[in-house]
Amino acid sequence: DQQVKQNSPSLSVQEGRISILNCDYTNSMFDYFLWYKKYPAEGPTFLISISSIKDKNEDGRFTVFLNKSAKHLSLHIVPSQPGDSAVYFCAASARETSGSRLTFGEGTQLTVNP
Amino acid sequence: DADVTQTPRNRITKTGKRIMLECSQTKGHDRMYWYRQDPGLGLQLIYYSFDVKDINKGEISDGYSVSRQAQAKFSLSLESAIPNQTALYFCATSDRGTRSRNEQFFGPGTRLTVL
Repeated sequence: DQQVKQNSPSLSVQEGRISILNCDYTNSMFDYFLWYKKYPAEGPTFLISISSIKDKNEDGRFTVFLNKSAKHLSLHIVPSQPGDSAVYFCAASARETSGSRLTFGEGTQLTVNP
Repeated sequence: DADVTQTPRNRITKTGKRIMLECSQTKGHDRMYWYRQDPGLGLQLIYYSFDVKDINKGEISDGYSVSRQAQAKFSLSLESAIPNQTALYFCATSDRGTRSRNEQFFGPGTRLTVL
């Protein structure tokens, strides 16, 4: 039972354009969502998060949008840069699980072409 | 210096062998986690610990055991390794705090191959 799904295994965009990575979830108890970025031979690093009381959170070139009714969130990267090429994981947590357990999606490999 | 370290970084072993993966952290966090990553499956939680006396099973704990020797150390053991335990293993830590309750900090990973 995959509670967090990233349906696109890969995405390729041109430098300077927008990258949009999508994530869907099924558990209505999830109340906090995070995006992680992972480079080869390194562990995932936290990128940006959003609470279920918000529908948007922005940090520089990165914006996360949350649509609770659709159980969908997306990560926008504008403008995309070659250094953004990495695997991006969506993750979610529910307060009922002490708020610490994260459920991860499968990941999307983003390639930004110069 | 890295805040979360894992040893070894790479390990090749044979079926039936006992393997221990170690994780140490200098972040002072109470909570520690072990995940495995398989291609196309994302990160799956194996075990987690909210403090030295608290150990909990995750989604895929069968075939694994853990030991929290101290606040800063959390080890993962494969008592009798099998080939489908070939994967990338990550240790992570998090703070007990509120606003940052969900942010986890990951080690660099251990690539384990079981022949």
